[in-house]
Amino acid sequence: DAGVTQSPTHLIKTRGQQVTLRCSPKSGHDTVSWYQQALGQGPQFIFQYYEEEERQRGNFPDRFSGHQFPNYSSELNVNALLLGDSALYLCASSLMRVKGKTEAFFGQGTRLTVV
Amino acid sequence: GENVEQHPSTLSVQEGDSAVIKCTYSDSASNYFPWYKQELGKRPQLIIDIRSNVGEKKDQRIAVTLNKTAKHFSLHITETQPEDSAVYFCAAGGSGNTPLVFGKGTRLSVIA
Repeated sequence: DAGVTQSPTHLIKTRGQQVTLRCSPKSGHDTVSWYQQALGQGPQFIFQYYEEEERQRGNFPDRFSGHQFPNYSSELNVNALLLGDSALYLCASSLMRVKGKTEAFFGQGTRLTVV
Repeated sequence: GENVEQHPSTLSVQEGDSAVIKCTYSDSASNYFPWYKQELGKRPQLIIDIRSNVGEKKDQRIAVTLNKTAKHFSLHITETQPEDSAVYFCAAGGSGNTPLVFGKGTRLSVIA
């Protein structure tokens, strides 16, 4: 049973560039949530995708966008990168279809460094 | 929206002692409270969770308690071991897939 997988594991980008991060959810899961974890902080919710639509969004600018594909995998795109976007980006998958079942399982994360 | 406060930010205990981490939440609609353990450079791992229809839950050396009236929940680790050293996060969420809101974490150090 495959867990949540993310790619790439590490990435270095220059200010102003754009980046795409990828996530494959745990087998059987249909919902993907993205979090940003700055050093020494807890994960901060960016947005959540279910049925290929953004369902919930946290307090992040429009430079952060995403997509979910029919196979439930997801991408996180960040445009016009700032130094402050340097963080660990975590993907969490869960199951929306089963009422009350809200366990979220995290991928290993993508460490993004903006220089 | 939901706000989760977590204390203490750092905690050092002697091996074999107990450790307690406390969290408070603000949204009375929250009904799901997981705890995650994150070791250095690794992903957060779900270690235990509790729902609002339960006051306490145990899993071997780990227990979580929930006080809905006071809007606080706690993680208790007994007989701590060096491998319990990590950062622990509490979180709160609502029904369905309401996004989890995390505390800022507690760095637990178990001293052998």
